[in-house]
Amino acid sequence: EDKVVQSPLSLVVHEGDTVTLNCSYEVTNFRSLLWYKQEKKAPTFLFMLTSSGIEKKSGRLSSILDKKELFSILNITATQTGDSAIYLCAVPTAGGTSYGKLTFGQGTILTVHP
Amino acid sequence: SQTIHQWPATLVQPVGSPLSLECTVEGTSNPNLYWYRQAAGRGLQLLFYSVGIGQISSEVPQNLSASRPQDRQFILSSKKLLLSDSGFYLCAWRAAATDTQYFGPGTRLTVL
Repeated sequence: EDKVVQSPLSLVVHEGDTVTLNCSYEVTNFRSLLWYKQEKKAPTFLFMLTSSGIEKKSGRLSSILDKKELFSILNITATQTGDSAIYLCAVPTAGGTSYGKLTFGQGTILTVHP
Repeated sequence: SQTIHQWPATLVQPVGSPLSLECTVEGTSNPNLYWYRQAAGRGLQLLFYSVGIGQISSEVPQNLSASRPQDRQFILSSKKLLLSDSGFYLCAWRAAATDTQYFGPGTRLTVL
């Protein structure tokens, strides 16, 4: 059974701190890994990673994938209160009628205090 | 550009009452559509997905059902709600040959 585990489950930091969120996975026929940010409502897409060692970057957020060790990290530098959210990691289930389904981790709740 | 709508945004229903949540997508054709439930602000549980009109796959045996009467419309229903049906329901769409799913604004359902 495909499995995605995120750590830590929750994190409290102060503005300006740098945080690292972790996502490990066990899936058959790995294809990609996705990161989402969820504030009050819908998760919004951040990154999709397919290749090891290639960093994806958007502003203060960056993410990298390690396909040998089966994990990804999401880094946020110089955190702001607006970064407070649930960060979700997901991996597609591969093959056949399962194509397109995502298996999600439990999420990391990030709280940034001013 | 593509847009996904869900309604209602919030709903409070008594136990035993019926349910109908609607999701529509604009700006794309033949999307894959998904219903998820999120409890207590945590990870998402896939409930149903659809690859085309009238084609529904169920992931979790439960009190709910789904239908896709039109290409860009996905409906989540129940004949009789249970307390355990409370949660945040999210609809998502995915274009063919991609992995990324895009989510609607969600419906927060409270069953009393």
